Amino acid sequence: GESVGLHLPTLSVQEGDNSIINCAYSNSASDYFIWYKQESGKGPQFIIDIRSNMDKRQGQRVTVLLNKTVKHLSLQIAATQPGDSAVYFCAERKAGRRALTFGSGTRLQVQP
Amino acid sequence: NAGVTQTPKFRILKIGQSMTLQCTQDMNHNYMYWYRQDPGMGLKLIYYSVGAGITDKGEVPNGYNVSRSTTEDFPLRLELAAPSQTSVYFCASTDSGNEQFFGPGTRLTVL
Repeated sequence: GESVGLHLPTLSVQEGDNSIINCAYSNSASDYFIWYKQESGKGPQFIIDIRSNMDKRQGQRVTVLLNKTVKHLSLQIAATQPGDSAVYFCAERKAGRRALTFGSGTRLQVQP
Repeated sequence: NAGVTQTPKFRILKIGQSMTLQCTQDMNHNYMYWYRQDPGMGLKLIYYSVGAGITDKGEVPNGYNVSRSTTEDFPLRLELAAPSQTSVYFCASTDSGNEQFFGPGTRLTVL
């Protein structure tokens, strides 16, 4: 069925290193792909989105890459900091809809 | 702005009891959503609303009801609580669709 899923449940990185969080999707009809960050005990927080007709989008210390050929999405975090420790979710939005479908999440642990 | 507020923060229910989870946003957003998040899992959409008076089912609507009488409020009603409804419930709102603003969540336990 249609789904948004993640390759790795937990990612551990050293402070200052770059982090790459991956996500696979199966719904080619999605219009947008979005990344959210959820810190412990809090609601998710929007990070960045990318439209399906784009390959790359950059934000502050984050870059999202979209490979439509293999239906793969990634979030790159530069110079990872302890404050980046959280669970990261990818989500998709189908064209013409306002609801999102979330994946199951990857926990990022930043080691000092 | 307070953003999205949810009450209560925690609640324990007995099987068969009912309750309403409150959600209010002060950003004048048209779109509002209710999600549930089970431990270690992603968010599943329960119900959503595209404006006052309009609601629609999400992925997991069974056992829940919603109403949207005003732009600001989007309460979620559980009529006959079941252990399977033990979860953390998040309310969210947006004016664009992608950047949803989430409340702090309500942690519900049904025993």
